[in-house]
Amino acid sequence: GEDVEQSLFLSVREGDSSVINCTYTDSSSTYLYWYKQEPGAGLQLLTYIFSNMDMKQDQRLTVLLNKKDKHLSLRIADTQTGDSAIYFCAESIEGNTGGFKTIFGAGTRLFVKA
Amino acid sequence: GAVVSQHPSWVICKSGTSVKIECRSLDFQATTMFWYRQFPKQSLMLMATSNEGSKATYEQGVEKDKFLINHASLTLSTLTVTSAHPEDSSFYICSARGGSKAPPFYEQFFGPGTRLTVL
Repeated sequence: GEDVEQSLFLSVREGDSSVINCTYTDSSSTYLYWYKQEPGAGLQLLTYIFSNMDMKQDQRLTVLLNKKDKHLSLRIADTQTGDSAIYFCAESIEGNTGGFKTIFGAGTRLFVKA
Repeated sequence: GAVVSQHPSWVICKSGTSVKIECRSLDFQATTMFWYRQFPKQSLMLMATSNEGSKATYEQGVEKDKFLINHASLTLSTLTVTSAHPEDSSFYICSARGGSKAPPFYEQFFGPGTRLTVL
């Protein structure tokens, strides 16, 4: 089945690290993504990782992938108030017509306290 | 990154009327467009996938006669909610993905969404 799960809420202090976790069920995922949605705005791709990678680092963002456990995490170092948003985990899987479709988790609302 | 626009950004309509939402890729050719529905504090639910020039593929449980999708060109897809009812009130988001000459195929670009309220 196609299912992506993540916790709904995370609160951290400014300057601390944030870790948002996600689990998925489809082992055929090719790419896994983290998207950010700010209030009133569309989703913005933050980072992605190919399924044969274990880790990807991009400035303050670190993505860890445990393919065996189907677990994906996003670590934001030195979290700032501007990082407050909803973060969506997503996986890209092959659709019914041969193309790829993206399945999203429910989103984790990150609240950063000054 | 590439830009996807949606119009209108919000719409209020009476029950029984039809509403059309447009999704445009502004600076790239979108060979595939996706329509999502987002409920408050819930995930984006994929409604359908459309490829330019062909019929949309609907996800299970989505009524294709209720939600008409047209992807007539490489830069425009439309979603028409026919005979709208209050339970159709939601936030509708489109996204687009390009082909070989566009941004990487793995990346979807999202529109800002359209909030539909049916009275």
